[in-house]
Amino acid sequence: NAGVTQTPKFQVLKTGQSMTLQCAQDMNHEYMSWYRQDPGMGLRLIHYSVGAGITDQGEVPNGYNVSRSTTEDFPLRLLSAAPSQTSVYFCASSYSGGAAYEQYFGPGTRLTVT
Amino acid sequence: DQQVKQNSPSLSVQEGRISILNCDYTNSMFDYFLWYKKYPAEGPTFLISISSIKDKNEDGRFTVFLNKSAKHLSLHIVPSQPGDSAVYFCAASGSNDYKLSFGAGTTVTVRA
Repeated sequence: NAGVTQTPKFQVLKTGQSMTLQCAQDMNHEYMSWYRQDPGMGLRLIHYSVGAGITDQGEVPNGYNVSRSTTEDFPLRLLSAAPSQTSVYFCASSYSGGAAYEQYFGPGTRLTVT
Repeated sequence: DQQVKQNSPSLSVQEGRISILNCDYTNSMFDYFLWYKKYPAEGPTFLISISSIKDKNEDGRFTVFLNKSAKHLSLHIVPSQPGDSAVYFCAASGSNDYKLSFGAGTTVTVRA
């Protein structure tokens, strides 16, 4: 099993550009989520999905869109990049949400917006 | 407002000694708690968990203690090893909540 994979590993964008961060898992997990990690802030939930076709907002959803057309994939779209979105982004999956189930994280995407 | 707080950004400990990491939470609805470990340039990996029906859970060198009345949990690593040098995140959620709340993390450095 590859687990949770994320592409790209690194990305530099100019302010106003859009892009999609890819996330895929091969563990048949129903729950997937996106986090951003910033110094001194820990991991903050952006969006999550409890199954194909179902998504919901997390703690910091503004400026990001998601969709879940298949169980395996959960892309994160930045609509118009801003310097405040410079961060490390992690995708995670688990059998279900919350702390009752171990979440498996991808290796992360380091995004810089200039 | 952060509902999970790790007030010590860093901890330095000698190899072989005990590492104690602390975590406080404010949401009384939280009843599941986890610790994750993160090495540089990698994603977090699950370390140990505890539910609110317990006050202690042990897995090898790692033990998590939960004090519900104080809304406090701690992670003990005994004995500390150089490979334990990493960032440790505390996380929590309610039993009917899909969202996981993380603390800011504590960087542990184990000195030889």
